[in-house]
This record gives sequence, structure tokens and C-alpha cells, in this order.
Amino acid sequence: ETGVTQTPRHLVMGMTNKKSLKCEQHLGHNAMYWYKQSAKKPLELMFVYSLEERVENNSVPSRFSPECPNSSHLFLHLHTLQPEDSALYLCASSQEVGSSYNEQFFGPGTRLTVL
Amino acid sequence: GQNIDQPTEMTATEGAIVQINCTYQTSGFNGLFWYQQHAGEAPTFLSYNVLDGLEEKGRFSSFLSRSKGYSYLLLKELQMKDSASYLCAVSDSNYQLIWGAGTKLIIKP
Repeated sequence: ETGVTQTPRHLVMGMTNKKSLKCEQHLGHNAMYWYKQSAKKPLELMFVYSLEERVENNSVPSRFSPECPNSSHLFLHLHTLQPEDSALYLCASSQEVGSSYNEQFFGPGTRLTVL
Repeated sequence: GQNIDQPTEMTATEGAIVQINCTYQTSGFNGLFWYQQHAGEAPTFLSYNVLDGLEEKGRFSSFLSRSKGYSYLLLKELQMKDSASYLCAVSDSNYQLIWGAGTKLIIKP
């Protein structure tokens, strides 16, 4: 138990569906992250939030839309996804952004399959 | 470009020692992290190196050479539960983590 929870753990959706992934951290951290993890590929950073403000957006397609209503919660809204978007989506949090020692705590991930 | 290289897969025997290497080329360096990820689970922090040398933490040790752009994770007295993927990540000049693809470690009895 890392103090970061994610729901759902598994999600199967069609290309025309709209769904949302939820992340919650119980660590009192100020920064939250969304990553995409595909088999045998490095973790891809998608979005970074610091105190509910987006500070990083790594050229992610607009079919992925993040939302950070407060420093404990992070959502990833999904719509009109493609089969190549199937992956493990990991949420992480850290004390802050922009420091050397910035250990990130990860949630267990949502395994997403797009049909 | 920025790049982190580590072997895709390694196999070792229970009770033995294994060394997982990581080489990196990044724009700036603000530390190197090792994470462990069991199948279907969250990555968990193992170690952080920012200065050259060896950091020991129980059965696990991590080494860094900044001049060579090189690190390794050393696992001693291997146990079956050490079967997992090991992820190397470097904090670059913008304090953004650049990740390797991970090394899958298989432990055999």
C-alpha cells in the first residue's frame, strides 16, 4: 500500500465510449502525475499537476483530458480512444515538483483495453 | 535526445547475486532512481543516487558513476520474491524523470 489509490483497476471500452480514471493520494503531497506504461517501453509522462495547476503536458492527444480538482484527487477523462491507447495507466504523487530528490509514489494502475 | 538503456531481461538463481546495469544520456543530471515493479503492481522506490559511489540498503545496493553515465543495482542473496521488473530513472535538468524500459528479473530455484 503506497498511499495512492486508483479506480478502476481494469477497464474495457469501445472506441466511442467515454470513461474516466480516478486517482487519490493520502500522503499530503502537492504534485500528481499521469503516466502511460506499455509493454517493454519506458514510462511515458502524460501530465503533471502542482497544487492543482497543470505544469507539464507532454504532447498528449486531446482524447485524454486531465482534471485536478484538488491536491488529493486526479482524473483522466477518456473519449474516442484508439486501440493503441491500450496500456497500464499509472498515477503517482510526490511532495513537490522541481527538486532533486523527488521520490514518486505510484498507484497500482488501471489496465485499459480499447476494443 | 535523452536515453536510458538497461537490459530487457535477466535470469538468476535463488541465493545468488545479480547486477542490473543502467546507462544514461540526459540533458542535465539531478539524481538517479531505481524502482521495483512486481507484475500487476505499482512501482515502488528502491534507491536514489546523486553522488558517485555505492549506496547500500540491506540486500540491495546501488552504484553511480556520473562521469560514465552509469549506474547499477546489485541484489544479493536473491529470493524468489525478487522476481520483478527493475526500473531505472534519471532526473534531468528540469527535474523531470526520464525512464528506462525496465529489466525483467527472473529468479530460478
